[in-house]
Amino acid sequence: GAVVSQHPSRVICKSGTSVKIECRSLDFQATTMFWYRQFPKQSLMLMATSNEGSKATYEQGVEKDKFLINHASLTLSTLTVTSAHPEDSSFYICSARKGLAGGYNEQFFGPGTRLTVL
Amino acid sequence: TQLLEQSPQFLSIQEGENLTVYCNSSSVFSSLQWYRQEPGEGPVLLVTVVTGGEVKKLKRLTFQFGDARKDSSLHITAAQPGDTGLYLCAGAYTGGFKTIFGAGTRLFVKA
Repeated sequence: GAVVSQHPSRVICKSGTSVKIECRSLDFQATTMFWYRQFPKQSLMLMATSNEGSKATYEQGVEKDKFLINHASLTLSTLTVTSAHPEDSSFYICSARKGLAGGYNEQFFGPGTRLTVL
Repeated sequence: TQLLEQSPQFLSIQEGENLTVYCNSSSVFSSLQWYRQEPGEGPVLLVTVVTGGEVKKLKRLTFQFGDARKDSSLHITAAQPGDTGLYLCAGAYTGGFKTIFGAGTRLFVKA
């Protein structure tokens, strides 16, 4: 199997607070995890690539100090949205890739986290 | 810039009709995936194609990889309301590490 969980599934927070989202690969080890953001009726927008034991690689235009990523183990990556503002409200989805680069590059996605910042 | 063009962007059809979704690029893929995403959920992997000319079937869904590995199609036969969702193609280019996603095709099947 290839199951990825995400927690929480839904979070509502006040502007200025920080929110942590966890992404876990439940039945496999993932050296690489990805964090995406999805706006309504749009495709996925890659935010960053998270590699276990090293710093995340952020896509152009994504603030690394605002979206903190930690990939502390082969089964867990976290995304912390710091000092959240209403414009950060979105659907955040993580994915995990089995094996090493050079394979089939299949990504297995979590169920997503709906963040609403008031 | 590597692009993965997906078409159509939106499709609304009656139950029982057939449809085809296309995914095209000017570069060669080492592998290509098709995903389906339902509202409020993460994408679910449907299939991976790797070999040029490969055809894979998943019940009423037929996936084809172009001979040159630059394009792919998803054909759904006798669509059902349960097929409604966002279909995404995603490809990794030869020698590349990152996966590129298409813009998605939003399918709505009316009963």
